[in-house]
Amino acid sequence: NAGVTQTPKFRILKIGQSMTLQCAQDMNHNYMYWYRQDPGMGLKLIYYSVGAGITDKGEVPNGYNVSRSTTEDFPLRLELAAPSQTSVYFCASIREGAEGRRVNTEAFFGQGTRLTVV
Amino acid sequence: EDQVTQSPEALRLQEGESSSLNCSYTVSGLRGLFWYRQDPGKGPEFLFTLYSAGEEKEKERLKATLTKKESFLHITAPKPEDSATYLCAVGNYKLTFGKGTLLTVNP
Repeated sequence: NAGVTQTPKFRILKIGQSMTLQCAQDMNHNYMYWYRQDPGMGLKLIYYSVGAGITDKGEVPNGYNVSRSTTEDFPLRLELAAPSQTSVYFCASIREGAEGRRVNTEAFFGQGTRLTVV
Repeated sequence: EDQVTQSPEALRLQEGESSSLNCSYTVSGLRGLFWYRQDPGKGPEFLFTLYSAGEEKEKERLKATLTKKESFLHITAPKPEDSATYLCAVGNYKLTFGKGTLLTVNP
């Protein structure tokens, strides 16, 4: 298993350009997430999906869009890039498991995409 | 709204010098508390899940404990390879993360 794969690893965008960050997982996880991580600010949730065809906003969704047409893929679209979107973006997926009444929610993260908007 | 506060922001230890990292949380109902390790340039890597006060989990030199208001990550006799940022998170399917503690272990 490759786990969670993100592409590209690095990208420089000019203000106003658009791009799509790709995320794919091969673990058949239903739940997938996009986070951004800024220095000293921790991970902030952008969007998440509980299954193919279902997406919802997280804490910081403005300026981003997502789609989930398959279980495996969860791309993040940036429209009209702004300097405030300079960040490291992480995609994650969740494995569920039953432990009695508990649910194991270990999250698997990709290696990240470092985006700079200039 | 869930809130997570980690302290200290940075910790520098000598090899073999044991210490603890703190994670304080405010939630409407704890569904799970998670510890992750993040190396520079990498994504977070799962360490532990804790669900109820009094629960403890161990992995090599790391031991995580949980009370009703906070969790501790105890590091016993750390080695330089334990240097990383340690992240705490709460939630279930949606995680709220703290800002992390940057741990540096000097040889």
